[in-house]
Amino acid sequence: AQSVTQLDSQVPVFEEAPVELRCNYSSSVSVYLFWYVQYPNQGLQLLLKYLSGSTLVESINGFEAEFNKSQTSFHLRKPSVHISDTAEYFCAGIINNNDMRFGAGTRLTVKP
Amino acid sequence: DTGVSQDPRHKITKRGQNVTFRCDPISEHNRLYWYRQTLGQGPEFLTYFQNEAQLEKSRLLSDRFSAERPKGSFSTLEIQRTEQGDSAMYLCASSLVEVNYGYTFGSGTRLTVV
Repeated sequence: AQSVTQLDSQVPVFEEAPVELRCNYSSSVSVYLFWYVQYPNQGLQLLLKYLSGSTLVESINGFEAEFNKSQTSFHLRKPSVHISDTAEYFCAGIINNNDMRFGAGTRLTVKP
Repeated sequence: DTGVSQDPRHKITKRGQNVTFRCDPISEHNRLYWYRQTLGQGPEFLTYFQNEAQLEKSRLLSDRFSAERPKGSFSTLEIQRTEQGDSAMYLCASSLVEVNYGYTFGSGTRLTVV
Protein backbone atom coordinates (compact mmCIF):
# COMPACT_ATOMS: atom_id res chain seq x y z
CA ALA A 1 0.00 0.00 0.00
CA GLN A 2 1.17 3.49 -0.82
CA SER A 3 2.64 5.07 2.29
CA VAL A 4 2.17 8.67 1.24
CA THR A 5 -0.43 9.71 -1.32
CA GLN A 6 -0.66 13.02 -3.06
CA LEU A 7 -4.12 13.32 -4.49
CA ASP A 8 -3.44 15.84 -7.24
CA SER A 9 -0.72 15.44 -9.85
CA GLN A 10 -1.17 18.99 -11.17
CA VAL A 11 -2.64 22.13 -9.64
CA PRO A 12 -2.91 25.25 -11.83
CA VAL A 13 -3.80 28.49 -10.08
CA PHE A 14 -3.71 32.19 -10.81
CA GLU A 15 -1.28 34.48 -9.07
CA GLU A 16 -2.46 35.76 -5.67
CA ALA A 17 -5.06 33.00 -5.40
CA PRO A 18 -5.04 30.57 -2.46
CA VAL A 19 -3.85 27.00 -2.98
CA GLU A 20 -4.05 23.67 -1.17
CA LEU A 21 -1.93 20.67 -2.08
CA ARG A 22 -3.31 17.50 -0.57
CA CYS A 23 -1.37 14.72 1.13
CA ASN A 24 -2.57 11.64 2.99
CA TYR A 25 -0.43 9.09 4.78
CA SER A 26 -0.95 5.47 5.76
CA SER A 27 -0.63 3.92 9.18
CA SER A 28 2.82 2.53 8.30
CA VAL A 29 4.17 6.07 8.32
CA SER A 30 5.35 7.55 11.58
CA VAL A 31 4.07 10.99 12.53
CA TYR A 32 7.17 12.68 11.16
CA LEU A 33 5.89 14.36 8.02
CA PHE A 34 7.55 16.69 5.56
CA TRP A 35 6.94 18.82 2.53
CA TYR A 36 9.75 19.32 0.03
CA VAL A 37 9.87 21.61 -3.01
CA GLN A 38 11.79 20.90 -6.18
CA TYR A 39 12.56 23.50 -8.82
CA PRO A 40 13.51 22.35 -12.35
CA ASN A 41 16.80 20.47 -12.55
CA GLN A 42 17.46 20.89 -8.86
CA GLY A 43 17.38 18.67 -5.80
CA LEU A 44 14.71 18.73 -3.13
CA GLN A 45 14.56 21.52 -0.58
CA LEU A 46 12.85 21.10 2.77
CA LEU A 47 9.83 23.40 2.98
CA LEU A 48 8.46 22.46 6.40
CA LYS A 49 8.09 19.53 8.75
CA TYR A 50 5.86 18.21 11.49
CA LEU A 51 7.53 16.34 14.34
CA SER A 52 5.28 16.90 17.34
CA GLY A 53 3.49 19.63 19.25
CA SER A 54 1.41 22.21 17.39
CA THR A 55 -0.38 20.63 14.47
CA LEU A 56 0.06 23.74 12.33
CA VAL A 57 3.54 24.28 10.96
CA GLU A 58 4.73 27.16 8.85
CA SER A 59 7.54 27.87 6.42
CA ILE A 60 9.42 31.14 5.96
CA ASN A 61 7.85 31.82 2.57
CA GLY A 62 4.20 31.77 3.58
CA PHE A 63 3.32 28.08 3.22
CA GLU A 64 1.72 26.21 6.09
CA ALA A 65 0.61 22.63 6.66
CA GLU A 66 -1.69 21.10 9.21
CA PHE A 67 -1.26 17.64 10.68
CA ASN A 68 -4.66 15.99 11.04
CA LYS A 69 -4.41 12.63 12.77
CA SER A 70 -8.07 11.70 12.43
CA GLN A 71 -8.00 12.26 8.68
CA THR A 72 -4.38 11.05 8.29
CA SER A 73 -3.66 14.16 6.27
CA PHE A 74 -0.92 16.77 6.04
CA HIS A 75 -2.20 19.23 3.44
CA LEU A 76 -0.06 22.17 2.34
CA ARG A 77 -1.64 25.60 1.95
CA LYS A 78 -0.74 29.12 0.98
CA PRO A 79 -3.24 32.01 1.10
CA SER A 80 -1.74 33.90 -1.86
CA VAL A 81 0.67 32.35 -4.35
CA HIS A 82 3.35 33.99 -6.47
CA ILE A 83 4.72 33.11 -9.87
CA SER A 84 7.92 32.03 -8.13
CA ASP A 85 6.02 29.30 -6.27
CA THR A 86 5.75 27.33 -9.50
CA ALA A 87 7.50 24.04 -8.75
CA GLU A 88 6.99 20.38 -7.89
CA TYR A 89 5.95 19.71 -4.29
CA PHE A 90 6.49 16.40 -2.54
CA CYS A 91 4.95 15.15 0.66
CA ALA A 92 7.03 12.62 2.60
CA GLY A 93 6.98 10.55 5.75
CA ILE A 94 9.40 8.42 7.73
CA ILE A 95 8.90 4.64 7.56
CA ASN A 96 9.84 2.49 10.54
CA ASN A 97 12.06 5.30 11.86
CA ASN A 98 14.53 4.46 9.13
CA ASP A 99 13.98 6.07 5.76
CA MET A 100 11.79 8.59 4.04
CA ARG A 101 9.11 7.70 1.50
CA PHE A 102 7.70 10.22 -0.91
CA GLY A 103 4.42 10.84 -2.64
CA ALA A 104 4.32 11.07 -6.42
CA GLY A 105 4.41 14.85 -6.31
CA THR A 106 2.11 17.72 -7.22
CA ARG A 107 3.10 20.18 -9.91
CA LEU A 108 1.98 23.64 -8.90
CA THR A 109 1.75 26.07 -11.81
CA VAL A 110 1.03 29.69 -10.98
CA LYS A 111 -0.30 31.69 -13.89
CA PRO A 112 -0.25 35.50 -14.20
CA ASP B 1 29.75 23.17 5.16
CA THR B 2 28.45 23.46 1.62
CA GLY B 3 25.69 20.89 1.97
CA VAL B 4 25.38 17.64 0.05
CA SER B 5 27.44 17.53 -3.14
CA GLN B 6 26.91 15.18 -6.05
CA ASP B 7 29.18 14.61 -9.00
CA PRO B 8 28.70 14.68 -11.92
CA ARG B 9 25.57 16.78 -12.45
CA HIS B 10 24.90 15.15 -15.79
CA LYS B 11 26.07 11.91 -17.37
CA ILE B 12 25.30 10.62 -20.83
CA THR B 13 26.40 7.08 -21.50
CA LYS B 14 25.90 4.40 -24.08
CA ARG B 15 23.84 1.36 -23.21
CA GLY B 16 26.01 -1.36 -21.75
CA GLN B 17 28.60 0.96 -20.24
CA ASN B 18 29.31 1.25 -16.51
CA VAL B 19 28.83 4.53 -14.67
CA THR B 20 29.76 5.69 -11.18
CA PHE B 21 28.32 8.61 -9.25
CA ARG B 22 29.73 10.22 -6.15
CA CYS B 23 28.00 11.85 -3.18
CA ASP B 24 29.64 13.89 -0.43
CA PRO B 25 27.27 14.30 2.52
CA ILE B 26 27.22 16.93 5.24
CA SER B 27 30.16 16.01 7.42
CA GLU B 28 28.21 15.70 10.68
CA HIS B 29 25.60 13.39 9.17
CA ASN B 30 25.90 9.69 9.93
CA ARG B 31 23.29 8.55 7.44
CA LEU B 32 23.47 8.69 3.65
CA TYR B 33 20.69 7.76 1.26
CA TRP B 34 20.35 7.13 -2.46
CA TYR B 35 17.09 7.74 -4.31
CA ARG B 36 16.09 7.47 -7.95
CA GLN B 37 13.64 9.87 -9.51
CA THR B 38 12.07 9.41 -12.93
CA LEU B 39 10.13 12.07 -14.77
CA GLY B 40 6.85 12.91 -13.11
CA GLN B 41 7.47 10.69 -10.11
CA GLY B 42 8.56 11.16 -6.56
CA PRO B 43 11.95 9.94 -5.40
CA GLU B 44 12.13 6.17 -4.93
CA PHE B 45 14.28 4.80 -2.14
CA LEU B 46 17.28 2.72 -3.26
CA THR B 47 19.53 2.22 -0.25
CA TYR B 48 20.96 3.85 2.83
CA PHE B 49 24.07 3.74 4.98
CA GLN B 50 24.69 4.47 8.59
CA ASN B 51 28.36 5.33 8.76
CA GLU B 52 29.99 2.69 6.54
CA ALA B 53 27.31 0.02 7.01
CA GLN B 54 24.71 -0.46 4.30
CA LEU B 55 21.58 -1.12 6.34
CA GLU B 56 18.82 -1.42 3.78
CA LYS B 57 18.48 -2.02 0.08
CA SER B 58 15.34 -1.67 -2.01
CA ARG B 59 14.22 -4.35 -4.43
CA LEU B 60 14.73 -1.63 -7.05
CA LEU B 61 18.45 -2.07 -6.53
CA SER B 62 19.16 -4.90 -8.96
CA ASP B 63 22.42 -6.86 -9.16
CA ARG B 64 23.72 -4.28 -11.62
CA PHE B 65 23.64 -1.61 -8.93
CA SER B 66 26.14 -1.36 -6.11
CA ALA B 67 26.70 1.32 -3.52
CA GLU B 68 29.58 1.82 -1.15
CA ARG B 69 30.54 4.14 1.64
CA PRO B 70 33.97 2.79 2.54
CA LYS B 71 35.04 5.24 5.22
CA GLY B 72 31.68 6.43 6.37
CA SER B 73 32.10 9.71 4.52
CA PHE B 74 31.47 9.96 0.77
CA SER B 75 29.52 7.32 -1.12
CA THR B 76 29.56 5.97 -4.64
CA LEU B 77 26.75 4.42 -6.64
CA GLU B 78 27.81 2.26 -9.57
CA ILE B 79 25.54 0.96 -12.31
CA GLN B 80 26.99 -1.81 -14.46
CA ARG B 81 25.83 -2.63 -18.00
CA THR B 82 23.50 0.35 -18.11
CA GLU B 83 20.09 0.03 -19.74
CA GLN B 84 17.83 2.71 -21.12
CA GLY B 85 15.49 2.16 -18.21
CA ASP B 86 18.23 3.37 -15.89
CA SER B 87 17.82 6.89 -17.24
CA ALA B 88 16.75 8.99 -14.27
CA MET B 89 17.85 11.54 -11.73
CA TYR B 90 19.86 9.94 -8.93
CA LEU B 91 19.53 11.85 -5.70
CA CYS B 92 21.70 11.59 -2.63
CA ALA B 93 20.66 12.80 0.80
CA SER B 94 22.16 12.78 4.26
CA SER B 95 20.81 13.08 7.76
CA LEU B 96 21.60 12.65 11.41
CA VAL B 97 20.71 9.31 12.97
CA GLU B 98 17.65 11.10 14.33
CA VAL B 99 15.88 11.05 10.98
CA ASN B 100 12.96 13.11 12.21
CA TYR B 101 15.01 16.23 11.59
CA GLY B 102 14.71 15.52 7.90
CA TYR B 103 17.10 14.93 5.07
CA THR B 104 19.34 17.32 3.16
CA PHE B 105 19.41 16.54 -0.54
CA GLY B 106 22.06 17.12 -3.13
CA SER B 107 21.25 18.55 -6.55
CA GLY B 108 21.29 15.10 -8.12
CA THR B 109 23.00 13.40 -11.04
CA ARG B 110 20.94 13.14 -14.19
CA LEU B 111 21.78 9.98 -16.10
CA THR B 112 20.81 9.55 -19.73
CA VAL B 113 21.44 6.17 -21.33
CA VAL B 114 21.42 6.28 -25.13
